[in-house]
Amino acid sequence: QKEVEQNSGPLSVPEGAIASLNCTYSDRVSQSFFWYRQYSGKSPELIMSIYSNGDKEDGRFTAQLNKASQYVSLLIRDSQPSDSATYLCAVNPDFQKLVFGTGTRLLVSP
Amino acid sequence: GAGVSQSPSNKVTEKGKDVELRCDPISGHTALYWYRQRLGQGLEFLIYFQGNSAPDKSGLPSDRFSAERTGESVSTLTIQRTQQEDSAVYLCASSTSPSEPFPRSPLHFGNGTRLTVT
Repeated sequence: QKEVEQNSGPLSVPEGAIASLNCTYSDRVSQSFFWYRQYSGKSPELIMSIYSNGDKEDGRFTAQLNKASQYVSLLIRDSQPSDSATYLCAVNPDFQKLVFGTGTRLLVSP
Repeated sequence: GAGVSQSPSNKVTEKGKDVELRCDPISGHTALYWYRQRLGQGLEFLIYFQGNSAPDKSGLPSDRFSAERTGESVSTLTIQRTQQEDSAVYLCASSTSPSEPFPRSPLHFGNGTRLTVT
């Protein structure tokens, strides 16, 4: 079992819709969770971090964490074509390592 | 500069040659990471430095790969006798020290070095 699993997609949503990206992780001791966005040919950039169970909102983005289910998600409201990118979930199973999922490709159509 | 700086941005080398990739982290960031990303793939962890110490070398793919860091600044990733499967983008990231027990601070990535082995 991979440490961090994501559906590779692509996830296609129309402009203005809500995009829901999901991630599961295997190591129960993980405490810190991150969502990164990566445009084609570019480096990952941090979108959200979440450390406690529940929801964390930042603008159009909401991260949701459920440690009991080992599940973290990212919701993007009012999706825009500029949101089209690969979204990487990252988890730290120990404080020395940050493990990334393979990413979900999101396509937002005008 | 304000961000993580990597050089060169592109490197084309012949199979069998050695290459050296450089990373200059954000000032004050004691933690430094190297990742590899093959075309269309996810990020593969290579090595982590805390200061100039590398407690976790488990991700290095083979003994052809080595890395070092001078103090809490520049790091160099060296690949000896390059092979075609080494072709990838090599990403460096830095962060402030993890705090105990958690959370840890997020990583800030450089623009990467695109390595092509012909």
